[in-house]
Amino acid sequence: EAGVTQSPTHLIKTRGQQVTLRCSPISGHTSVYWYQQALGLGLQFLLWYDEGEERNRGNFPPRFSGRQFPNYSSELNVNALELEDSALYLCASSFARLANYGYTFGSGTRLTVV
Amino acid sequence: AQSVTQLDSQVPVFEEAPVELRCNYSSSVSVYLFWYVQYPNQGLQLLLKYLSGSTLVKGINGFEAEFNKSQTSFHLRKPSVHISDTAEYFCAVSVSGGYNKLIFGAGTRLAVHP
Repeated sequence: EAGVTQSPTHLIKTRGQQVTLRCSPISGHTSVYWYQQALGLGLQFLLWYDEGEERNRGNFPPRFSGRQFPNYSSELNVNALELEDSALYLCASSFARLANYGYTFGSGTRLTVV
Repeated sequence: AQSVTQLDSQVPVFEEAPVELRCNYSSSVSVYLFWYVQYPNQGLQLLLKYLSGSTLVKGINGFEAEFNKSQTSFHLRKPSVHISDTAEYFCAVSVSGGYNKLIFGAGTRLAVHP
């Protein structure tokens, strides 16, 4: 069974640009979670999607947005990139009603903003 | 609201020595508890979880954790560590039942020295 896959694995963007990160959950999982892991700041919760709807949002500005598609894959969009957006972006998935049984994480996308 | 405190940001230890990584949580209701490990430049991998039953939980790679309800703790232990255990370890909590997301601690960096 394929795990949670994220693409791209690495990318470099210039300040002010826009970026789209992608995540494919484990087959059958309907919930997708996005986390930002900046250097020394632990895991910061970004967004939670389930059945195509945004269920919860962390304390991030509106330029962080996303969506979930009918096949449960998800995109995270970041507009007007700032230097402090440089981080590892992690996606995780779970069965919605068993979310509290734990998540399965992807390997992440390393974003560098210069 | 639930929260997780990992009491040590860094734990240095020599190879083959025992180690304990501490985790305390706060919640007024029943919880599920998790430990995840993150190796450099990778996503998070589930080490073990406590959902119910025996308070001593055994996980992968020789790790175990004990749920102590009276002390609201879920400390992670390993009797003899290896160089390969060098990683970041995250404790997480969710409320049992319902539709809830995981809350992560800030992480503990375990550095195993030869």
